Amino acid sequence: DAGVIQSPRHEVTEMGQEVTLRCKPISGHDYLFWYRQTMMRGLELLIYFNNNVPIDDSGMPEDRFSAKMPNASFSTLKIQPSEPRDSAVYFCASGSTVPFTEAFFGQGTRLTVV
Amino acid sequence: AQSVTQPDIHITVSEGASLELRCNYSYGATPYLFWYVQSPGQGLQLLLKYFSGDTLVQGIKGFEAEFKRSQSSFNLRKPSVHWSDAAEYFCAVVADSWGKLQFGAGTQVVVTP
Repeated sequence: DAGVIQSPRHEVTEMGQEVTLRCKPISGHDYLFWYRQTMMRGLELLIYFNNNVPIDDSGMPEDRFSAKMPNASFSTLKIQPSEPRDSAVYFCASGSTVPFTEAFFGQGTRLTVV
Repeated sequence: AQSVTQPDIHITVSEGASLELRCNYSYGATPYLFWYVQSPGQGLQLLLKYFSGDTLVQGIKGFEAEFKRSQSSFNLRKPSVHWSDAAEYFCAVVADSWGKLQFGAGTQVVVTP
């Protein structure tokens, strides 16, 4: 398996624009996380899904952020409108609950909002 | 609430010296525990994990960690560090039955010649 695949790897956008980050989890995995990493706040869990269902989105900073998982092979994290403070590295990770495995991380998307 | 504490934000160690990174957790049940490593510009890579059984676990790159229930700790060790071990290290715990992974703040390791 190619691992967790995130796209794009880098994104530069202007404030106010919509940004969509994409994630393809490892085949057969049933849980998926979206994390945000910044120098100031470290690794923050934004949302996690189990069997495509959002279980906990309490980490989503505000209504500008939304995440979907329409099927087991694909998830998106959308920011609309984007702001400079959203600049961060966004990671997607997937794993299996039966049997339970560790979370496997993608390479991340570095988002810069100017 | 569950939490993971890494008391050391930054550690400097000489190449060839031993390394120990501390991790303490607060969790009511028997936790699943992990150590991940992150090199600059990279994602997180699993070093080792503890689910049950032998409390001393071996990982990749010569790392090991010991689970001590009485101290609520899961410290990471390496007998002799290499320059390539310079990275950020994260301790993590599964915080609920769904597999929610909670991370500590991380420890930055610098290796000097």
